[in-house]
Amino acid sequence: GESVGLHLPTLSVQEGDNSIINCAYSNSASDYFIWYKQESGKGPQFIIDIRSNMDKRQGQRVTVLLNKTVKHLSLQIAATQPGDSAVYFCAEGGNRDDKIIFGKGTRLHILP
Amino acid sequence: GAVVSQHPSRVICKSGTSVKIECRSLDFQATTMFWYRQFPKQSLMLMATSNEGSKATYEQGVEKDKFLINHASLTLSTLTVTSAHPEDSSFYICSATGRNSPQHFGDGTRLSIL
Repeated sequence: GESVGLHLPTLSVQEGDNSIINCAYSNSASDYFIWYKQESGKGPQFIIDIRSNMDKRQGQRVTVLLNKTVKHLSLQIAATQPGDSAVYFCAEGGNRDDKIIFGKGTRLHILP
Repeated sequence: GAVVSQHPSRVICKSGTSVKIECRSLDFQATTMFWYRQFPKQSLMLMATSNEGSKATYEQGVEKDKFLINHASLTLSTLTVTSAHPEDSSFYICSATGRNSPQHFGDGTRLSIL
């Protein structure tokens, strides 16, 4: 079946720099995308979401970009902090009540 | 914000034991709850979708007789791993969603079968 995947399993970023985490999805019918942050031993924490009728959405220190032409999703974290260390998952779904499918995850490592 | 509580957070038991995990939505009515399993360094794999008052819908490859799901109220769903064996050891995570709201996740249950 179709699934959401990720380009890089691990990303190391200098503290204070911006982080960009990428995600490729294969289901062109997906119309809702979510980024989650998972810290060790915890459940995923909602970061930001975007619908397919948008190509950009901003939150506090985070921005999600959606390129439907190439089926690519990215999460940008501004001024990366030590507390941003976690595994980040993109996920896709049909709408907010439907099940969502998780990608493989990218571990973000912050360098001092 | 919305809070989903899972209990217990960790279980260690002998092979052959049945284990029940509870998932509660604390401040909203969860019309739908989802159960996921996560192996180390892997992503979350959806096991089943649970709607209040109806039978759960299981994903392909998930044994419904092995993983019993009950969603008796709008705030509680339970997952029972029956006759658990070492290969069932995993991190089990639930999520809950209400109407027009994103999924909110519990903090998971680490199940270890000896």
